[in-house]
Amino acid sequence: GQSLEQPSEVTAVEGAIVQINCTYQTSGFYGLSWYQQHDGGAPTFLSYNGLDGLEETGRFSSFLSRSDSYGYLLLQELQMKDSASYFCAVRVANNDMRFGAGTRLTVKP
Amino acid sequence: GAVVSQHPSRVICKSGTSVKIECRSLDFQATTMFWYRQFPKQSLMLMATSNEGSKATYEQGVEKDKFLINHASLTLSTLTVTSAHPEDSSFYICSANANYGYTFGSGTRLTVV
Repeated sequence: GQSLEQPSEVTAVEGAIVQINCTYQTSGFYGLSWYQQHDGGAPTFLSYNGLDGLEETGRFSSFLSRSDSYGYLLLQELQMKDSASYFCAVRVANNDMRFGAGTRLTVKP
Repeated sequence: GAVVSQHPSRVICKSGTSVKIECRSLDFQATTMFWYRQFPKQSLMLMATSNEGSKATYEQGVEKDKFLINHASLTLSTLTVTSAHPEDSSFYICSANANYGYTFGSGTRLTVV
């Protein structure tokens, strides 16, 4: 089967840095993606890692270690608007994406 | 960028009726679209994979006769919830593969009363 593990909740204060981890066990692996979803909205794509290492996009960075079946999303300079759910997702086949349960991030003033 | 338009955004229907949800890829051709269901505070659960010109592939436990999927063109896929019941109330989202990331529709909040 497929399993993706990520923390259910994370709380941090404005301006801080937070790291959301994701470990996976899947039948195939074609890359790890991260999505942000605000309450009542649709998920929006944040980042993708196909190879090991760090990808940086503004305040957000994502890391992947395929040998450890592990990745993380790093959010810097947190803002109130970053309060949302964050999902890691593994592309297990050409047209098959599986999502983790999501991490609810709460940013406090 | 790649955009998927989903309609309606919200629908309230009576138990026993059918509801159709449409997803259109606006600036690209989507040979494959994915339909997800999301219950409150839970993750996205893949229901089915919609393939243009062929039958959809349903995930285990998803009733194909209840959730009818049609993908008649490269830009349009529809999901029809037939004989809806209150337990079908959920957030339904479509997506299509756009390069490295999946582009999602805006979602449809279905409430069956």
